[in-house]
Amino acid sequence: GENVEQHPSTLSVQEGDSAVIKCTYSDSASNYFPWYKQELGKGPQLIIDIRSNVGEKKDQRIAVTLNKTAKHFSLHITETQPEDSAVYFCAASKANTGNQFYFGTGTSLTVIP
Amino acid sequence: GAVVSQHPSWVICKSGTSVKIECRSLDFQATTMFWYRQFPKQSLMLMATSNEGSKATYEQGVEKDKFLINHASLTLSTLTVTSAHPEDSSFYICSARNPAGGPREQYFGPGTRLTVT
Repeated sequence: GENVEQHPSTLSVQEGDSAVIKCTYSDSASNYFPWYKQELGKGPQLIIDIRSNVGEKKDQRIAVTLNKTAKHFSLHITETQPEDSAVYFCAASKANTGNQFYFGTGTSLTVIP
Repeated sequence: GAVVSQHPSWVICKSGTSVKIECRSLDFQATTMFWYRQFPKQSLMLMATSNEGSKATYEQGVEKDKFLINHASLTLSTLTVTSAHPEDSSFYICSARNPAGGPREQYFGPGTRLTVT
């Protein structure tokens, strides 16, 4: 099965700085990689996703990069704000198969004002 | 956009009782729903995959007789925790797959906090 590893487990940055979270996956057949933000007591919220036919995707301050050869993908948040503080999870899946998501272990991001 | 709801959002029950959690897809028909459990400061762990009209597929280590899953319609799946014990206290999250496609693969509910006393 798929194994997704996520680093770091905790990350503190100053407001305005960038934050980078990295994930690796093991199954080369995985082709869909979403990132979720989870605030305390709430369900995960999709913030960005990428499919294996592209190497990078950007949405305002958030970007995701994918290296299929190395089987790793990263979340980049620029100009961080205090409201970005949350736990972030990466996941890997096989698109359009109805297959489950395999989640990383999460990164607790704290943005210091 | 596609919305998935859960009810209740939180529940407290006594040890030995059963609790039912509902997961609904509000604006699409979900042939497949997933149930996850999340302990504090941990990741989401898949418990079972629920397909409409058929028996759920449970992950290894999840007791199917304790966590009863029913997916009787295309918009509703239920998880019943039977004979709950304090160690069942957790955050339960469902997600639903829209077979009609769309930009996302799965749509997540807001979660249900279960506390067993």
